[in-house]
Amino acid sequence: EPEVTQTPSHQVTQMGQEVILRCVPISNHLYFYWYRQILGQKVEFLVSFYNNEISEKSEIFDDQFSVERPDGSNFTLKIRSTKLEDSAMYFCASSAEGLASTNTQYFGPGTRLTVL
Amino acid sequence: AQKVTQAQTEISVVEKEDVTLDCVYETRDTTYYLFWYKQPPSGELVFLIRRNSFDEQNEISGRYSWNFQKSTSSFNFTITASQVVDSAVYFCALSARNAGNMLTFGGGTRLMVKP
Repeated sequence: EPEVTQTPSHQVTQMGQEVILRCVPISNHLYFYWYRQILGQKVEFLVSFYNNEISEKSEIFDDQFSVERPDGSNFTLKIRSTKLEDSAMYFCASSAEGLASTNTQYFGPGTRLTVL
Repeated sequence: AQKVTQAQTEISVVEKEDVTLDCVYETRDTTYYLFWYKQPPSGELVFLIRRNSFDEQNEISGRYSWNFQKSTSSFNFTITASQVVDSAVYFCALSARNAGNMLTFGGGTRLMVKP
């Protein structure tokens, strides 16, 4: 069964460093998302991406965040200058269609980001 | 604005007991979708079910059942004859037409099933 994959599973970085989290969505999906979950808290939406551009973003997704689909398979989240409060589990998700139809989002296993 | 509330932060049951996880949602949209996801200790998010706002039929899948009631804005999840492997955090989530494709998650309910 197709699944969303994410690399790395765990990333440790120093405050102020740039990190890139990578995701490979399910191959025939058109909508891509990033969410984050601070330890012990709820899952929060960051950004959605469709047709090579951002379609929605939350207040959390400020100028230090960016997303990109550099090729036909990868979907990346870049954090330019990490802060301690960026430590969280980051989930990538994809869906086949938008809200008008099924819109079931399938999640990857997550990348645990630790900022020291 | 949309909101999902899972009032039960933690539930503990003994194996074979039935357990119901509550979910209450708020949205101004008339077209919306409700979801349940399971997060086992390993951390991934596993899709369990999606419900459309215009389909109030309850659903049963094995030991799992879902009760959607628009009148009370609730979408409750029942596990019958719980098993230790059901131990996880369960999240209810909502997406609404006018809020784009984003999922709004509730705070989650941690279910512990003891042998």
